[in-house]
Amino acid sequence: SQQGEEDPQALSIQEGENATMNCSYKTSINNLQWYRQNSGRGLVHLILIRSNEREKHSGRLRVTLDTSKKSSSLLITASRAADTASYFCATDRAGSARQLTFGSGTQLTVLP
Amino acid sequence: DAGITQSPRHKVTETGTPVTLRCHQTENHRYMYWYRQDPGHGLRLIHYSYGVKDTDKGEVSDGYSVSRSKTEDFLLTLESATSSQTSVYFCAISGTGREEPGGEKLFFGSGTQLSVL
Repeated sequence: SQQGEEDPQALSIQEGENATMNCSYKTSINNLQWYRQNSGRGLVHLILIRSNEREKHSGRLRVTLDTSKKSSSLLITASRAADTASYFCATDRAGSARQLTFGSGTQLTVLP
Repeated sequence: DAGITQSPRHKVTETGTPVTLRCHQTENHRYMYWYRQDPGHGLRLIHYSYGVKDTDKGEVSDGYSVSRSKTEDFLLTLESATSSQTSVYFCAISGTGREEPGGEKLFFGSGTQLSVL
């Protein structure tokens, strides 16, 4: 069974708008990561947030983590057409840090 | 893609034939992984390796075997391919040794599209 599930499955916005994607998971984690995948390519790591952190920023990315609700959100501010991609959350499990479990992803389309 | 080469990039094969996919890294990372990606399932871990000749099963290991005889190479073998193994296969690496514990991120190859007819 999947540890992480993203919501929504697909999101379409205009350039300049903010995009928010959510991830829910089931078991205790050490950290949660977000990855991006352009069409036909491998995944690229975006940001990692540890279980004892609540918010983290990297450029136009803002990630929050609520361990009580077992959920995370990824906010992309001032989106660009180049942000069009699939975004995945990945969680490890406490005691099994090597086995990342990925959700099924959110397909983001940013219209110019 | 972070010094990771997957070969072949595309392969079409018939049911019942053996298939081997290769992952080669030039980063000297300790950990190597094989994932498969299918619509609606995200990425699922098949097997991973934590050192030469040290491997372990992932979530969907049935029908797959792996070998790692050198740090830089991790092979995924489908002994007798089935149509359900049609998928995109990704190799990933981690473990530079410089991360804080529990903070390792994965670097992915470009993938191998495998079609089993």
